[in-house]
Amino acid sequence: AQKVTQAQTEISVVEKEDVTLDCVYETRDTTYYLFWYKQPPSGELVFLIRRNSFDEQNEISGRYSWNFQKSTSSFNFTITASQVVDSAVYFCALTGKLIFGQGTTLQVKP
Amino acid sequence: EPEVTQTPSHQVTQMGQEVILRCVPISNHLYFYWYRQILGQKVEFLVSFYNNEISEKSEIFDDQFSVERPDGSNFTLKIRSTKLEDSAMYFCASSWTGDSTDTQYFGPGTRLTVL
Repeated sequence: AQKVTQAQTEISVVEKEDVTLDCVYETRDTTYYLFWYKQPPSGELVFLIRRNSFDEQNEISGRYSWNFQKSTSSFNFTITASQVVDSAVYFCALTGKLIFGQGTTLQVKP
Repeated sequence: EPEVTQTPSHQVTQMGQEVILRCVPISNHLYFYWYRQILGQKVEFLVSFYNNEISEKSEIFDDQFSVERPDGSNFTLKIRSTKLEDSAMYFCASSWTGDSTDTQYFGPGTRLTVL
């Protein structure tokens, strides 16, 4: 069965701190994709990144970086120098008919 | 930048009433989806739609639900007889290719409140 686990329900940090959001997945597929979406307080789902199972290179986009480790079935997301605007619920999802994790609520305090 | 749009943003209805939620996917996208998010919970897949047919549906998508692409631009989700537990945010999404691993782009959602 496919499953995504985001064990951190809520994280609270002070602005400028680095924060890592964990994502662990289960799948029997040999080829799959992983996604991160952001859901700000306004409610929409904003696509952040897609990563396929054959590409284990870490990716950096500005203050965001992603660490994909197939050996541990993890796809963690780090925000460097967090800002108040980063406050949102972040969802990790697994390929296809997207299987979402429970989400991690990140609160960045000024 | 092209985006998925949904109307209305908020729908309030009485239990037992029919509702239709509307979506305009990104033009040229071929796959369309509906997802549901009960308040405070994770986003759940409802149904995928391709070439005017349902390609996959979840256990949630029972006989009370139906989807339709009535014209070249709209994609609708109908709930025939709403129940209290249908109260949720409903997201429409679309993707470019028929490859199920393609990125799905989501609309802003319709918040459905069933009284």
